[in-house]
Amino acid sequence: GEDVEQSLFLSVREGDSSVINCTYTDSSSTYLYWYKQEPGAGLQLLTYIFSNMDMKQDQRLTVLLNKKDKHLSLRIADTQTGDSAIYFCAESFSGNTPLVFGKGTRLSVIA
Amino acid sequence: DTEVTQTPKHLVMGMTNKKSLKCEQHMGHRAMYWYKQKAKKPPELMFVYSYEKLSINESVPSRFSPECPNSSLLNLHLHALQPEDSALYLCASSVGTGQGEAFFGQGTRLTVV
Repeated sequence: GEDVEQSLFLSVREGDSSVINCTYTDSSSTYLYWYKQEPGAGLQLLTYIFSNMDMKQDQRLTVLLNKKDKHLSLRIADTQTGDSAIYFCAESFSGNTPLVFGKGTRLSVIA
Repeated sequence: DTEVTQTPKHLVMGMTNKKSLKCEQHMGHRAMYWYKQKAKKPPELMFVYSYEKLSINESVPSRFSPECPNSSLLNLHLHALQPEDSALYLCASSVGTGQGEAFFGQGTRLTVV
């Protein structure tokens, strides 16, 4: 079955870049997403990438997709304390199946 | 309007109570979802509605009963819940299942006492 793996924790200094990694197993994934969840809040869609793209940039966020290795990464430039949150990678497939989430990476930003 | 609105934000209910969670979106999305999220865990899919019809039920106990009155509204009726059902309940919507951006509401934090 489908599976999405993420490292559980990442700690960076304010102003540095953060890179959060994700691997997935199903090569038929059509969309790959990054969601941010702050404590006690719902999920905020940060960005997504179609499976036919290699890279997508949106302000401080850069998503890289390596389809051959089934590896997705989210780079946050100039990380701020407000970026501290849990980041979920998720995938969805063509057809009728909804999102499959990774376990989430807790990003801690040290001032 | 790119929002999914959930009410209430917080709910405390006894094990014999009946309550309902509500979700609303006006983006014209035809797929709507209920997820359950326990602390420090990813969201777990409960139900999927596609074009107002229940298309996926992830073996959820019958004490949770979903309803989709129209294409903008999704309810989750709760009855005879257990303390282990305490969690954050998230609603989401997307253009279609497995298609495009999925938007989430802020969730209802449910505590069963």
